[in-house]
Amino acid sequence: DADVTQTPRNRITKTGKRIMLECSQTKGHDRMYWYRQDPGLGLRLIYYSFDVKDINKGEISDGYSVSRQAQAKFSLSLESAIPNQTALYFCATSDRPRTGGSGELFFGEGSRLTVL
Amino acid sequence: AQSVTQPDIHITVSEGASLELRCNYSYGATPYLFWYVQSPGQGLQLLLKYFSGDTLVQGIKGFEAEFKRSQSSFNLRKPSVHWSDAAEYFCAVGDPPHAGGTSYGKLTFGQGTILTVHP
Repeated sequence: DADVTQTPRNRITKTGKRIMLECSQTKGHDRMYWYRQDPGLGLRLIYYSFDVKDINKGEISDGYSVSRQAQAKFSLSLESAIPNQTALYFCATSDRPRTGGSGELFFGEGSRLTVL
Repeated sequence: AQSVTQPDIHITVSEGASLELRCNYSYGATPYLFWYVQSPGQGLQLLLKYFSGDTLVQGIKGFEAEFKRSQSSFNLRKPSVHWSDAAEYFCAVGDPPHAGGTSYGKLTFGQGTILTVHP
């Protein structure tokens, strides 16, 4: 089983609909992230959470919200989806800063969202 | 603010040829640098990373990268490309572990370079 699991993997929806993307991890990491990937733009950070009670906006948080239900679960919501939110969404985790910490991100396989 | 530039959007090489993917970064101190690869339909996989020590870093799948502070570059290389290397490659920069807790783990990514390999 994957260490970072995203559901659904693919979703087609209509403008104005509410959408939730879910992420769960078995790596035991405190930190979780949602990134958005668009062609030619790389990955951009939407929201991140350093622990269950800590939620922070990233570079492009407008139109999105998140919930950290548990250490292992971090969901991303689009309250009213619009076509320019069509993208590939990635959940990622990392360890906390500490001597010897890897600093790298561990990614899920992505959720492709299409908003018509 | 930190930033990463990958000047080449798309590179095409023949199988067996050498490869170099360019990455330039802007960062206030010594950065933590990463190269990730994304195969079609897959998530991102770490190829290699650099924070300190030897400026030539070895990674998985035969890749290496060289950190050049004077040029603010972290170029990825492979001496002989295989067809299975066709993918999109991302350079990223972040704060190292000792830089403090608020930014650690938040990576800034380049735009990506798509690699096509001809047989």
